[in-house]
Amino acid sequence: ETGVTQTPRHLVMGMTNKKSLKCEQHLGHNAMYWYKQSAKKPLELMFVYNFKEQTENNSVPSRFSPECPNSSHLFLHLHTLQPEDSALYLCASSQASRQGVPEAFFGQGTRLTVV
Amino acid sequence: DAKTTQPNSMESNEEEPVHLPCNHSTISGTDYIHWYRQLPSQGPEYVIHGLTSNVNNRMASLAIAEDRKSSTLILHRATLRDAAVYYCILRWGNEKLTFGTGTRLTIIP
Repeated sequence: ETGVTQTPRHLVMGMTNKKSLKCEQHLGHNAMYWYKQSAKKPLELMFVYNFKEQTENNSVPSRFSPECPNSSHLFLHLHTLQPEDSALYLCASSQASRQGVPEAFFGQGTRLTVV
Repeated sequence: DAKTTQPNSMESNEEEPVHLPCNHSTISGTDYIHWYRQLPSQGPEYVIHGLTSNVNNRMASLAIAEDRKSSTLILHRATLRDAAVYYCILRWGNEKLTFGTGTRLTIIP
């Protein structure tokens, strides 16, 4: 257990569906991230939130819509996805600290299959 | 972003030490060297990080070259549970983690 919880762990959705991925952390962290990991590819950063504000969007298509209502929760809203969007979606969090360089904690991911 | 170079794969026998190399010749003075690993079907997990001096923790040791252009992650006694992809990442402060392809470590029983 890393303290970062993602739900659901597995999701199968059609191309016309709308679904949401949820990430929750109660580690007191102020930064949260969405990563995508496709088969045989490195992890790709999608979005970064610092203090609930989106600070980075890595040229992600608009069919992926993030939401960060508070510093403990992060959502990824999905609509009209394509089969090539099938991947492992990982959430991470970290805490800036004056005393050192913070490590990031990752959830176990949501395995998404688009049919 | 400063880049790192790692071998694609390595093998090691169980209960023997493992040395995982990483080259980072363009590292800047403020970059910390981080190591993460990703076990099968899991998210990455933090292993260790350092700036200039060698570091030890319960999981591993990190040996950093004097010129900081390379580093080595040392697993002192590999077990089957250490089979994973190991990522060497340069990071400043709280900036985003940028992952490369890492080294896939196979442990031979």
